[in-house]
Order: sequence, then structure tokens, then C-alpha cells
Amino acid sequence: EAGVVQSPRYKIIEKKQPVAFWCNPISGHNTLYWYRQNLGQGPELLIRYENEEAVDDSQLPKDRFSAERLKGVDSTLKIQPAELGDSAVYLCASSPGGGPRGGELFFGEGSRLTVL
Amino acid sequence: AQSVTQLGSHVSVSEGALVLLRCNYSSSVPPYLFWYVQYPNQGLQLLLKYTTGATLVKGINGFEAEFKKSETSFHLTKPSAHMSDAAEYFCAVSDFANFGNEKLTFGTGTRLTIIP
Repeated sequence: EAGVVQSPRYKIIEKKQPVAFWCNPISGHNTLYWYRQNLGQGPELLIRYENEEAVDDSQLPKDRFSAERLKGVDSTLKIQPAELGDSAVYLCASSPGGGPRGGELFFGEGSRLTVL
Repeated sequence: AQSVTQLGSHVSVSEGALVLLRCNYSSSVPPYLFWYVQYPNQGLQLLLKYTTGATLVKGINGFEAEFKKSETSFHLTKPSAHMSDAAEYFCAVSDFANFGNEKLTFGTGTRLTIIP
């Protein structure tokens, strides 16, 4: 079974430039998450999707961040324009849903963003 | 709202010694509790989880954790440390009352170093 795939793994950009991250979840996982992990910190939820619906985006800075999951499968997270404080690792995770596997999130390797 | 506190951002133990990583949680409803491990430049991997039932849960790689409601704790232990255990460990809590809402709130992490 293929895991959660993210790209790019690393991205270095100048401030005020746009950037996009892509995530393909594990096949059959309806729930998809984007987390941001600052250096030395735990992951913080940005947005959660159930299929194509964003059911929790309360922590997403909507002035510069946007996300989509058009067909309920892969997802894109965009930042425009990027700021120095956006430097972090952006983690995508997927989940098979509730029941016995409840709470078991499967993470990708992350996309490390450096804003200069 | 739920939260977790991990005591000790860095823990060092000798190879073969006991590993003890501390986690205390706060939740207004019965929690689901998790430990995740993150190796350098990789995503997070589930070590173990507590949902209901037996309060001592066993995970991968010889780790186990005990849910103690009276102490609001979920400490992670391993009897004998191995060099390969060197990683970052994250405790996380999920709101049981919203079963199926697998939003995890992570602690700030504990970096485990193994001394040869």
C-alpha cells in the first residue's frame, strides 16, 4: 500500500512569492489534513477535509493561505504571498475514518519551506 | 478544548536503560491518546494509542504507555533503549466526544537521544 505522497520535499523562495504544495493521500482515505510544523514544535492543524469538503479550517490564515481538494482525492495547499514566518514543514496526513482505526493518521514526509 | 503537555523537550538515556517520556493531557471529555514518533526528515508514525478498555497499551518497537485518568497522564516507556530509538516523540490527544472527528492536538515534542 502506497503511503501519503507529498511534493515538493523542499522549497526555497523569496518572501512575497507564491508557493504550492501537493498531497496525494492513501487510497480510500476520505479524511485529509494539512498540518504546519514549526521548528522545535509539534504539528498544528491548518485544515481538515472530509472528501472534498473543508470541515475545519479555523486555523488556516485565510488572507494568504488557500487549499483545495476538488475531487476528494489529492489536495493542494497554497501560500500567496509568502512571509518569513511561513518557514516551516507542511505535513499532509490522511485517515481511514472512525471505528477501530479512529485517530490513526498517516503522515507524508512533509514539504519543508524556507522563505528568504 | 483539549491539550497535551510534554515534560522535557530533550531526554538522554544510555543504551539499554529505561526510556520514560512524560505526557499530561487536558480534556473535558474522555480522550483518545496517542504517541507518534518522527525520525529526521520523515513524517510522523503512530507508535501506539489508547481509546477505551485496557489502560496499558503496547505499541511498536517495544514501547508501551499507561493511561492514568487520576493523574491525567499517558507516559511512554520502553524497558531497554536502543540506538535506533533516537527520534522526536509527540504525544497527542483527540476529542472522544466527537468520535470520527480525528482532529489531533499535539504536544511540543520530546527529542530522545541515546548515549552509546
